Amino acid sequence: GAGVSQSPSNKVTEKGKDVELRCDPISGHTALYWYRQSLGQGLEFLIYFQGNSAPDKSGLPSDRFSAERTGGSVSTLTIQRTQQEDSAVYLCASSQYGPQETQYFGPGTRLLVL
Amino acid sequence: KQEVTQIPAALSVPEGENLVLNCSFTDSAIYNLQWFRQDPGKGLTSLLLIQSSQREQTSGRLNASLDKSSGRSTLYIAASQPGDSATYLCAVRQGGSEKLVFGKGTKLTVNP
Repeated sequence: GAGVSQSPSNKVTEKGKDVELRCDPISGHTALYWYRQSLGQGLEFLIYFQGNSAPDKSGLPSDRFSAERTGGSVSTLTIQRTQQEDSAVYLCASSQYGPQETQYFGPGTRLLVL
Repeated sequence: KQEVTQIPAALSVPEGENLVLNCSFTDSAIYNLQWFRQDPGKGLTSLLLIQSSQREQTSGRLNASLDKSSGRSTLYIAASQPGDSATYLCAVRQGGSEKLVFGKGTKLTVNP
């Protein structure tokens, strides 16, 4: 595809529900990243994939957060038992081979937990 | 722990002015530094990437410099235009790490 795409663009959910956020990286990009941007906070790293494996998941804030990547392409970020503090914009990025290169970002998913 | 600071948090200038945005980082052992632009409600657009061995990068009216030893980078925008209005983010990749560490950004407004 032309760029990184994410779905849904907006998600409103009730506290305690599970949500799944999807990221489609640029075709052929082997590296994929998830970040979170909370109101008043900077972007914070969540997890990094190289192919289907995640060598760095140090930024996941709790065990309610998990992510997977299949076929070296699409990635899903799952948040279980959502809390109000999970409300944020979740951004996905990809790069061709790894972090030494430019990361290209998707438009993000805006999550609101009521 | 790496910390990235951007000053000022907000900047308003008249059209046509040249301006400088500042970024500082606490740990000089970085692999590269990247400047991004973020428009409201949208994702990030990469502007310039400077590897740790480089001193500057240029793209059109933009010039980014890197002084790794002093932990500083600047983004120079020449002849600013209203379309340059956005939030500008600086991010560093730490040596030995895969993630980018971001500053909180500078919100730029260029007035016609």
